[in-house]
Amino acid sequence: AQSVTQPDIHITVSEGASLELRCNYSYGATPYLFWYVQSPGQGLQLLLKYFSGDTLVQGIKGFEAEFKRSQSSFNLRKPSVHWSDAAEYFCAVGAVEYSGAGSYQLTFGKGTKLSVIP
Amino acid sequence: DSGVTQTPKHLITATGQRVTLRCSPRSGDLSVYWYQQSLDQGLQFLIQYYNGEERAKGNILERFSAQQFPDLHSELNLSSLELGDSALYFCASSVGTANYEQYFGPGTRLTVT
Repeated sequence: AQSVTQPDIHITVSEGASLELRCNYSYGATPYLFWYVQSPGQGLQLLLKYFSGDTLVQGIKGFEAEFKRSQSSFNLRKPSVHWSDAAEYFCAVGAVEYSGAGSYQLTFGKGTKLSVIP
Repeated sequence: DSGVTQTPKHLITATGQRVTLRCSPRSGDLSVYWYQQSLDQGLQFLIQYYNGEERAKGNILERFSAQQFPDLHSELNLSSLELGDSALYFCASSVGTANYEQYFGPGTRLTVT
């Protein structure tokens, strides 16, 4: 079964500083990888996704993530953090099950809460 | 706005009761997924429907059930509620049954007292 680990529960950065949120996954095949962001009281918004191809993917709000197969990682980065980026960030791996009628599941990490100091 | 709608936004009920959460997927999406988010368990996949048929089950309790109707909206039924069922319940939708990103609704916050 697939799993996702986000080692950092809470990260605090100053506004304007760079950011890297770590994500490690476990999955037997080529993974489909996602980063979602959740603002307080809100649903999850898709930031970016990796399905195949270029291992550096660009997302919305200036975020990017790099897929490193050798390290089973998909870390999220942003060169300069804005106060509005304060939120909780979730990494997820999508797994396709081809048995039976076929199905698809997202497995999420526990999330990393980002605080931004003005 | 993801295009996925969920009602109600908040629900407060007592132990032992039964509630129904409703979800309307984005226009054109055939798959609907239900997730539970709690402080101790995080985000957990409950169940997936595709075009009216159940496709996958995750950590869904026997007291919980779901269905997807011909107009593609979905309902999650929670019965014999316990205090531990208090959580945020999210619905997500995607175009197909596999390999697609999921778009999440705003969630229903369930409080069981």
